Amino acid sequence: NAGVIQTPRHKVTGKGQEATLWCEPISGHSAVFWYRQTIVQGLEFLTYFRNQAPIDDSGMPKERFSAQMPNQSHSTLKIQSTQPQDSAVYLCASSSDWNTGQLYFGEGSKLTVL
Amino acid sequence: QQQVRQSPQSLTVWEGETAILNCSYENSAFDYFPWYQQFPGEGPALLIAIRSVSDKKEDGRFTIFFNKREKKLSLHITDSQPGDSATYFCAAGMTGTGSKLSFGKGAKLTVSP
Repeated sequence: NAGVIQTPRHKVTGKGQEATLWCEPISGHSAVFWYRQTIVQGLEFLTYFRNQAPIDDSGMPKERFSAQMPNQSHSTLKIQSTQPQDSAVYLCASSSDWNTGQLYFGEGSKLTVL
Repeated sequence: QQQVRQSPQSLTVWEGETAILNCSYENSAFDYFPWYQQFPGEGPALLIAIRSVSDKKEDGRFTIFFNKREKKLSLHITDSQPGDSATYFCAAGMTGTGSKLSFGKGAKLTVSP
């Protein structure tokens, strides 16, 4: 059974460019989460979907970040006009039961903004 | 505001010793506390978890001790092995919030042979 798949594993962008990160959750999992990981801030919640519907985006920087889940097999996180402070590892996780706290994380997408 | 705090930030123990990682939280409404283990280049993986109705949860060499009154918990790793060297994250969640977890900043454990 494949785990959560994230692509790309590494992405380098120039300041002001757009970055799109993809996540394929574990088949059958109804909840998908996005977290951002940095050395300074640790793991920060960004947003999550349940049955493809956006439920909570309270962690998302409002202006440049957006997330979508167009179907049950993938979610995207898009960052417009990237800034150096957006450099981080972006982690996607899925869960079979949205309320159990048992998250299965992907290996992450490391974004570097020059 | 950091809702979950961990200490120490890093810990080194000898193989065979017991490693103790501490965690505290702010929000009394938290009722679910998982610990995640992360190796370099990988995503965090659930290691063990406890709910606030319990004061202890054991799984092999890993034990969580939970003190609801003091809003503290700890992860004990007995007979530590070099393969346990990783970063450990304490997290907290609330029933009804859909697995949205607040994470501590992590504790890097090194087990020396």
